[in-house]
Amino acid sequence: AQSVTQLGSHVSVSEGALVLLRCNYSSSVPPYLFWYVQYPNQGLQLLLKYTSAATLVKGINGFEAEFKKSETSFHLTKPSAHMSDAAEYFCAVSMSGGSNYKLTFGKGTLLTVNP
Amino acid sequence: KAGVTQTPRYLIKTRGQQVTLSCSPISGHRSVSWYQQTPGQGLQFLFEYFSETQRNKGNFPGRFSGRQFSNSRSEMNVSTLELGDSALYLCASSLGGPSTDTQYFGPGTRLTVL
Repeated sequence: AQSVTQLGSHVSVSEGALVLLRCNYSSSVPPYLFWYVQYPNQGLQLLLKYTSAATLVKGINGFEAEFKKSETSFHLTKPSAHMSDAAEYFCAVSMSGGSNYKLTFGKGTLLTVNP
Repeated sequence: KAGVTQTPRYLIKTRGQQVTLSCSPISGHRSVSWYQQTPGQGLQFLFEYFSETQRNKGNFPGRFSGRQFSNSRSEMNVSTLELGDSALYLCASSLGGPSTDTQYFGPGTRLTVL
């Protein structure tokens, strides 16, 4: 079984500040991990994914995430927030090897960026 | 390349009715997944199809069903609608499957059940 916990349903930062969105996972097998972003009235867009290669993964729009097996975490960071980063962010997990053909999503974290 | 399209974008139905939602994947993508998104439950996996075969199904009642056609287009059907079925239904396509390949999401169909 797999699950994802996103700590903090709402995170607020100032423009230019560090963005840190937390994600912890539970998986009985080595996981694949993903971060998606959803802008209002749109579908989800992949930011980055970890599939057992480098533990530090760089994504689009300046985001990156680090896979830490010992902490079962995959936190998303961005050094400097921009107003356009305001959106909802979802962490997701699947089984490595892709044999379960599904993603399990966290509840999401709404990011607000203040001017 | 055209993105994932979903039709209709908005639907209003009454309890007891049934509804069919459609999803056209990106050209060349053979995997289509469906998710239900609600404020309370978040994103929940409904089912995944690949080459007309359902490979996985989420924990939803039998009122929720789907299928995929030979051109990879997919439909999902909800029968005997309940108020709790009101949600945004998202479709996503990928080349080989959602676990490893990048999923591309459509804008969703907003279903309101009155």
